[in-house]
Amino acid sequence: KQEVTQIPAALSVPEGENLVLNCSFTDSAIYNLQWFRQDPGKGLTSLLLIQSSQREQTSGRLNASLDKSSGRSTLYIAASQPGDSATYLCAVRGNYGSGNTGKLIFGQGTTLQVKP
Amino acid sequence: DAGVTQSPTHLIKTRGQHVTLRCSPISGHKSVSWYQQVLGQGPQFIFQYYEKEERGRGNFPDRFSARQFPNYSSELNVNALLLGDSALYLCASSRTDGAGYGYTFGSGTRLTVV
Repeated sequence: KQEVTQIPAALSVPEGENLVLNCSFTDSAIYNLQWFRQDPGKGLTSLLLIQSSQREQTSGRLNASLDKSSGRSTLYIAASQPGDSATYLCAVRGNYGSGNTGKLIFGQGTTLQVKP
Repeated sequence: DAGVTQSPTHLIKTRGQHVTLRCSPISGHKSVSWYQQVLGQGPQFIFQYYEKEERGRGNFPDRFSARQFPNYSSELNVNALLLGDSALYLCASSRTDGAGYGYTFGSGTRLTVV
């Protein structure tokens, strides 16, 4: 059974700092991994999608890496800003034939606070 | 282009009642999935529909049901509401079954059961 863990659960940093959020998963048979951002009481905003054959994806100040063999992904945020304050969730989609269908399995999220 | 649209945005129901939540996917998307997110937790998978067929069901009781219409919109129905059903219900759409393109989520429906 796939399990996704995100550490730390919460993080507070001063503005301008570079930071790394971690995501680990127990079953390496994934099709892709997606990082989302969630503001309080709101829906999910997709940040980056990494296919299992890819090692990393970049969008602006965000860079996500994937090491499928070790069951890890990181989300790197450069030059953090107060507007980056939110909860960040990672989610994996299993491979075809693994019994996981197309569902996403989410971690519990990391709540980030960037202080001015 | 319009994103994933969910309605209503908020609602309050009494224990034992029935509720219907609605979702319109992005134009051209054929897959709709439903997730339940309780406060402080990651979303939990409820259902996936692709091309109007159920493709997956999560570990939820039979009180939860869903369907997808010919225009690819979807409804999630919950019968005999319990206090524990209070949560944010999220709908996600994808061009396929999420394999190549990932998922786009709506803003959610906040359900409060009293």
